Amino acid sequence: SQTIHQWPATLVQPVGSPLSLECTVEGTSNPNLYWYRQAAGRGLQLLFYSVGIGQISSEVPQNLSASRPQDRQFILSSKKLLLSDSGFYLCAWSVGIGSSYEQYFGPGTRLTVT
Amino acid sequence: AQRVTQPEKLLSVFKGAPVELKCNYSYSGSPELFWYVQYSRQRLQLLLRHISRESIKGFTADLNKGETSFHLKKPFAQEEDSAMYYCAPRGDSWGKLQFGAGTQVVVTP
Repeated sequence: SQTIHQWPATLVQPVGSPLSLECTVEGTSNPNLYWYRQAAGRGLQLLFYSVGIGQISSEVPQNLSASRPQDRQFILSSKKLLLSDSGFYLCAWSVGIGSSYEQYFGPGTRLTVT
Repeated sequence: AQRVTQPEKLLSVFKGAPVELKCNYSYSGSPELFWYVQYSRQRLQLLLRHISRESIKGFTADLNKGETSFHLKKPFAQEEDSAMYYCAPRGDSWGKLQFGAGTQVVVTP
């Protein structure tokens, strides 16, 4: 069966420090991968998505970047964190079955920038 | 511009009462529509999708193309329905979802 992992689960980082969040998927091949952010009191905002290795699309301009070095690995990074980067980061994967794409979500990473 | 609106941030209902969560969307074409749910201390997960026309945990959602709405309904709410609910249209071929702001449902005994 398919599983999705994220780590770390929680992270407290000072402003200006770098960031690396990792997401890995098991049990499926060539998934679409997504990074979302859930800020306090707001919905989920799609940050990046990837349809293949090295293929990254950014949905909103921001201080973050994403990379997909392997088929089932998706990394969210920043060179210098801002206070506004605090939030709950969710990774998700999907595969298209017919015309339907159900997304499966990881447990999330709670990031607090101090 | 593509938009999805969930007008209620919080719905508080008594156990056994009906509950309806509103979702309106503004999309070109015919998007695929989903409801996702996040229970306390659990992962965000799919509740139902409009193409399945199914009832999950007693919930149903009817797509009204004329009103561009996809409201979620349950005739008799249970305490275990307390959760955060998100409406999410998919409007492209890459599986990207646009989530609404979410509605927190609290069912009290």
